[in-house]
Amino acid sequence: GAGVSQSPSNKVTEKGKDVELRCDPISGHTALYWYRQSLGQGLEFLIYFQGNSAPDKSGLPSDRFSAERTGGSVSTLTIQRTQQEDSAVYLCASSLAGEGLDTEAFFGQGTRLTVV
Amino acid sequence: RKEVEQDPGPFNVPEGATVAFNCTYSNSASQSFFWYRQDCRKEPKLLMSVYSSGNEDGRFTAQLNRASQYISLLIRDSKLSDSATYLCVVIGSNDYKLSFGAGTTVTVRA
Repeated sequence: GAGVSQSPSNKVTEKGKDVELRCDPISGHTALYWYRQSLGQGLEFLIYFQGNSAPDKSGLPSDRFSAERTGGSVSTLTIQRTQQEDSAVYLCASSLAGEGLDTEAFFGQGTRLTVV
Repeated sequence: RKEVEQDPGPFNVPEGATVAFNCTYSNSASQSFFWYRQDCRKEPKLLMSVYSSGNEDGRFTAQLNRASQYISLLIRDSKLSDSATYLCVVIGSNDYKLSFGAGTTVTVRA
């Protein structure tokens, strides 16, 4: 597809279960970002990939959160033993690496996670 | 200190008014800057890039002040449809990571 694709678009899970969120970036984009956003709040940075490596994962809130990226493309964000405070919209974005005015990030439509 | 800081607002303005707000960044070596717009319950979308010499796109004007390390966005002749949260984005020069501000909320009233 032409844009960033995220799946599922909505996920309801029971507290304590594990969930996997998927992001398909724009083809050729080497940089990939995960953010989360609670209702009425700003974007909270989680992790940044450059290719398959993550030079900055300082935003992951706990060791229950992990992410990987394979083949420089698809990324999966995994949340283990979900808690109610994990409920949020998880947004993925991708961009070309480097400086310049063509390096803007494009966002997917997000995955709305609800932990009940 | 946060990498990117914005006045959260909200800025409540009447239709037709001009509204302007700034975003400050901490890394003096940052090279690329953008303004994004986010509507309620939607993903952020690029509004405009910010050029070193400043640039306009219709009713929107973006400026960069490297000496004081801030960028600004000015909206002229505000429309109801301009109501949104405006996010400032800065690209680092070392790792090219995008850093987002928390956003400035603008509400245009009839």
